[in-house]
Amino acid sequence: DAGVTQSPTHLIKTRGQQVTLRCSPKSGHDTVSWYQQALGQGPQFIFQYYEEEERQRGNFPDRFSGHQFPNYSSELNVNALLLGDSALYLCASSFYEQPQHFGDGTRLSIL
Amino acid sequence: DQQVKQNSPSLSVQEGRISILNCDYTNSMFDYFLWYKKYPAEGPTFLISISSIKDKNEDGRFTVFLNKSAKHLSLHIVPSQPGDSAVYFCAASGTTSGTYKYIFGTGTRLKVLA
Repeated sequence: DAGVTQSPTHLIKTRGQQVTLRCSPKSGHDTVSWYQQALGQGPQFIFQYYEEEERQRGNFPDRFSGHQFPNYSSELNVNALLLGDSALYLCASSFYEQPQHFGDGTRLSIL
Repeated sequence: DQQVKQNSPSLSVQEGRISILNCDYTNSMFDYFLWYKKYPAEGPTFLISISSIKDKNEDGRFTVFLNKSAKHLSLHIVPSQPGDSAVYFCAASGTTSGTYKYIFGTGTRLKVLA
């Protein structure tokens, strides 16, 4: 039973570029959340998708957007990348009120 | 505004002894709390959770205690094993208020010495 899978594992971009990160939820899960984890910090909530709609959003600018597909997989898009966007991006999936399960993340480096 | 705080960045414990990791929160709307363990180059792994209607939850070697009046929770690991060495995050959520996001602390690095 595959858990949460994220791609790519690592990514290097330059300032001003755009990036798309992908996530496949654990089997049986229908909700996907995205988090940003900076070095030495805990994960920070970006947004959550349920039934293909953004259900809740954290304190992130509109440059961060997402999408959920009918098969529950999800994408995180970041436009106009800034140096401060360098972080580990974590995807978590869940079903109803069960605990969220995390993928291993995508390490994004901005040069 | 740090709503969930883990004030100890690191903790070292001898193998076989008890590890106690602490977490404080400020938002009284939080009603669901979780602990995650994170190894390097891996995502956080769910360990144990507790609802605000309880004050204790056990799962094998792991026990979480919740003190609502003090807005404090702790994770006890007994006995500690070298494989428990990892970064531990506590997280909080307000499910009854329709808040689905988890608010994480900054983590405590546990080192279990053989």
